[in-house]
Amino acid sequence: SQELEQSPQSLIVQEGKNLTINCTSSKTLYGLYWYKQKYGEGLIFLMMLQKGGEEKSHEKITAKLDEKKQQSSLHITASQPSHAGIYLCGVRAGGTSYGKLTFGQGTILTVHP
Amino acid sequence: GAGVSQSPRYKVAKRGQDVALRCDPISGHVSLFWYQQALGQGPEFLTYFQNEAQLDKSGLPSDRFFAERPEGSVSTLKIQRTQQEDSAVYLCASSFPGQGRGRETQYFGPGTRLLVL
Repeated sequence: SQELEQSPQSLIVQEGKNLTINCTSSKTLYGLYWYKQKYGEGLIFLMMLQKGGEEKSHEKITAKLDEKKQQSSLHITASQPSHAGIYLCGVRAGGTSYGKLTFGQGTILTVHP
Repeated sequence: GAGVSQSPRYKVAKRGQDVALRCDPISGHVSLFWYQQALGQGPEFLTYFQNEAQLDKSGLPSDRFFAERPEGSVSTLKIQRTQQEDSAVYLCASSFPGQGRGRETQYFGPGTRLLVL
């Protein structure tokens, strides 16, 4: 089965700083999802990457997919307290046509004002 | 509704008690997923429905776990004779086939936080 390793496990930054979260897969990536979760809430969809080299941005969050490295990175520019939460990467489990997701363990982001 | 809703949001159960967790998916969404999220971990797949058909229940941890979606919309996850290890957040997600099979975006509900004492 495919496993995802996220790094770092937790991150504390000062407001305004840039940061990067990585998600590394044990197998070839065929589509990768990034979600954000706040305590006590469900997962909020951020973006989906399908092709190697693909890069997507949403406001101050940019995600890239590097197929050769079997890795995706999520970069936040000029972080704000509203960015705090748990960031999860997920991939479609192989061998299924309906896209059940396997997730990493999550990266806890704290942003100090 | 505008998003996936789940009820109850919190449930405290005594060990051995049966519980039922409800999920209302986004209207028109064909696919429905249940995930279990232990503290400090990412969600883990439990089961999948396409309309009313349960096509995959490979993630259900034991035969105490049962899920249904009789009319292809609302789904219920039932846990019989709850154990302390069942304590977790149970998340429901729905999606609509449109971007290609397996590439649909899953939209998650807020989850039900279950605590078994």
